[in-house]
This record gives sequence, structure tokens and C-alpha cells, in this order.
Amino acid sequence: GQQLNQSPQSMFIQEGEDVSMNCTSSSIFNTWLWYKQDPGEGPVLLIALYKAGELTSNGRLTAQFGITRKDSFLNISASIPSDVGIYFCAGQLSTGTASKLTFGTGTRLQVTL
Amino acid sequence: GAVVSQHPSRVICKSGTSVKIECRSLDFQATTMFWYRQFPKQSLMLMATSNEGSKATYEQGVEKDKFLINHASLTLSTLTVTSAHPEDSSFYICTPWDTTTDTQYFGPGTRLTVL
Repeated sequence: GQQLNQSPQSMFIQEGEDVSMNCTSSSIFNTWLWYKQDPGEGPVLLIALYKAGELTSNGRLTAQFGITRKDSFLNISASIPSDVGIYFCAGQLSTGTASKLTFGTGTRLQVTL
Repeated sequence: GAVVSQHPSRVICKSGTSVKIECRSLDFQATTMFWYRQFPKQSLMLMATSNEGSKATYEQGVEKDKFLINHASLTLSTLTVTSAHPEDSSFYICTPWDTTTDTQYFGPGTRLTVL
């Protein structure tokens, strides 16, 4: 099945640093979502984006829905140790209907003190 | 947020046996349920989409006779891995869709290990 390209694949950063990751697709999506997954658990929704160009924040997280509808980025400011985990982007074609999610390849984030 | 449960959380079985995984939406009704599979260090891949009371729709490459999905009620869907083999070892995650919030809520996942 299709997967979205996510970069970087992994990153080591120091506590307090800002983090940026992005996700690109060869096809357009009408909704972009960002999830965090801790080991052995299901993904947890961080931010949902519904409109091209939309910039949305959730605490220290900020995400943007690309104008072309083929990309999105996620920023984490002032990282803390609990930010460690795997971050996945996901694209969805439709809203208002049960539409499947297409996931990115994931970005593994490790934060050092 | 909405609560989704999966049972069992972990299962180890012998090759050739069948394993049933239950997914329940505890505080909302789900007409649609998605089942994803995640191999170690990989992303989530959709296996199938089930609608309550009807047959599931499987993604390309997923054997419908091997992965039996039953969505008999608005709060319960089951995935049965039949004649499991070691290559079926994976993390299986269900995602009921809440129509009232137009949101898919991920279950906690079931780790299947086939020996």
C-alpha cells in the first residue's frame, strides 16, 4: 500500500532544542494528521489539519497543511524528554465520512538531557 | 477522549493455530472499523475496513480468508488470524470511527507473536 515519505527518519536532539519534521505525498489529501506512538501502544492524535495552508498549534506543537495539499510539517519547540517516541503523519482523503488513513514512514525522536 | 479497548493486549501462539482479537469502542458507536498492522520498526498499514453488518473490504495483498473480520455490533469488531505463521507476528491495531466527532480513535494494540 501507499506510504507517505517522512523525514528525517530519526533524530537525536538535546533537551530544549526545537524539532522539525515533514511529510510529503505524491497525491493530495484533504486532511493531514500527526500522531505520536510510544513503544507497545497505539498512536495518539496530536494535531489535525483540515484546510490547505492551515497552521495549527497544540501547546509546544505546531503543524501546517501545505498549500499544495501534498505535504505537511510538524514542529516541536523546546523539546523535553517525554517527547521521545515515533511521530507519524497521516493523510486522509475525506472528512465527514469514514475514510482510511495513509501513514508516513515515521520519525523516531530521541531527546538527550 | 473516546475509549477503545483491545483484547488480548499480547498473545503468543503456536504456528498453525488461530487467534481472535477483539476491539471494542466503550463510549461511542462505530459503524466503521479499520484494522491496521504494524511490523517492527515500520509504519502502520491498513489491512481492512469493516462496516457493521456487512462484509469487510480488504486492502490489496491482505488475504480475506486468513484474516477474518466480524463487525457484528456497533461497539465490537473481531479480527481472527487463522492458521497463524511466524510472518503474521505483528502489532494489530483497530480504529473505530466515531461518527459524532468524525474521528478515528486508535486502540491500544495487540502484539501477536507466532512461534
